[in-house]
Amino acid sequence: GENVEQHPSTLSVQEGDSAVIKCTYSDSASNYFPWYKQELGKRPQLIIDIRSNVGEKKDQRIAVTLNKTAKHFSLHITETQPEDSAVYFCATARRQGNLIFGKGTKLSVKP
Amino acid sequence: IAGITQAPTSQILAAGRRMTLRCTQDMRHNAMYWYRQDLGLGLRLIHYSNTAGTTGKGEVPDGYSVSRANTDDFPLTLASAVPSQTSVYFCASSWVAGAQETQYFGPGTRLLVL
Repeated sequence: GENVEQHPSTLSVQEGDSAVIKCTYSDSASNYFPWYKQELGKRPQLIIDIRSNVGEKKDQRIAVTLNKTAKHFSLHITETQPEDSAVYFCATARRQGNLIFGKGTKLSVKP
Repeated sequence: IAGITQAPTSQILAAGRRMTLRCTQDMRHNAMYWYRQDLGLGLRLIHYSNTAGTTGKGEVPDGYSVSRANTDDFPLTLASAVPSQTSVYFCASSWVAGAQETQYFGPGTRLLVL
């Protein structure tokens, strides 16, 4: 069945450094790739998403890149801040399909 | 109501008991979802509904049932709870019309089955 692999499972960076989280997927029909952030004890919230007709999307310190040929996409956070500490989930979906989530990456930003 | 709400916030339940988790959204989204979140396993889809009156099975539907009598409400029922159903349950909703759009999550229900 469809599968989304997310790496690393944990990531620790110093404040101000960059963080990169990568996801690979198996379903070549996937065309929607969102990223969710979940702070401790809170609900997941969308931070950025990209569709298959776009290779890169940026929103301030956050960017997502997509390589459809290799079937992987990545989240890039620059100039990390302590408030970026959270669990990040990638997901994929086909057109009108349900989201399939990765298992999450726990990001810790040390001041 | 603003957005998507869930009730109860948390619950301790004896094994074998029946329990219904409630979910309500006021965004007029056509699609609604139920996920369970377990440590190290991410978010796994239990059931979904693309529109009022229809439901479908997700990745882990066994032991759960849902109904979608109207647009706003999507209750999840555990007919006879078992300890393996101890989890955090999130309801979500989105507008789907030709393409998947942002899913908005409720605050979650923490369920402990003893």
